[in-house]
Amino acid sequence: GAGVSQSPSNKVTEKGKDVELRCDPISGHTALYWYRQSLGQGLEFLIYFQGNSAPDKSGLPSDRFSAERTGGSVSTLTIQRTQQEDSAVYLCASSRDRPSPTDTQYFGPGTRLTVL
Amino acid sequence: KQEVTQIPAALSVPEGENLVLNCSFTDSAIYNLQWFRQDPGKGLTSLLLIQSSQREQTSGRLNASLDKSSGRSTLYIAASQPGDSATYLCAALEGSGSRLTFGEGTQLTVNP
Repeated sequence: GAGVSQSPSNKVTEKGKDVELRCDPISGHTALYWYRQSLGQGLEFLIYFQGNSAPDKSGLPSDRFSAERTGGSVSTLTIQRTQQEDSAVYLCASSRDRPSPTDTQYFGPGTRLTVL
Repeated sequence: KQEVTQIPAALSVPEGENLVLNCSFTDSAIYNLQWFRQDPGKGLTSLLLIQSSQREQTSGRLNASLDKSSGRSTLYIAASQPGDSATYLCAALEGSGSRLTFGEGTQLTVNP
């Protein structure tokens, strides 16, 4: 079946502009995650959605970052007033249910964001 | 706060060699430890998942072990091939279960 898809694959923007990144999880997966991979750094957790529960936003680096998940499926990560340090690859992942010892997360190909 | 470290950062070997990638983590209260592969421009592919109650998992030429008490995991790749060239990431799923904490990865190059 189809995997996790993300769009756009690449985004170049000017400092100060807002950007929206989209994630389509695997159909039927109730859990959705956003991670960021910056040059020279590991992947860092940003936000986690589980069904209709309030999201875990504890990884968002500033109030310029926000995310929503409509209808329990598609998610949008929005970065307002982008800064150069926001340049990174943003990865989305989904899993069947809430995290468990036996389940893994399935990752999309990522969106490479470059802020000039 | 969980911290995950991977050694070495980069590794270059000739085809056919057996090799070991190392991962250490600071908080042993984990649900599982996972190994992923990342190819340039692509997302992550799950290779092996070891539950906290398990000691090892095997898939083909790959074997991963977990020692929770010492906070260590190793990924063993037998008879390496050029197609194994990629970045290998280990990640710990925290006990409260909402996030994976990743190491910075080992960039592996297998030379023909």
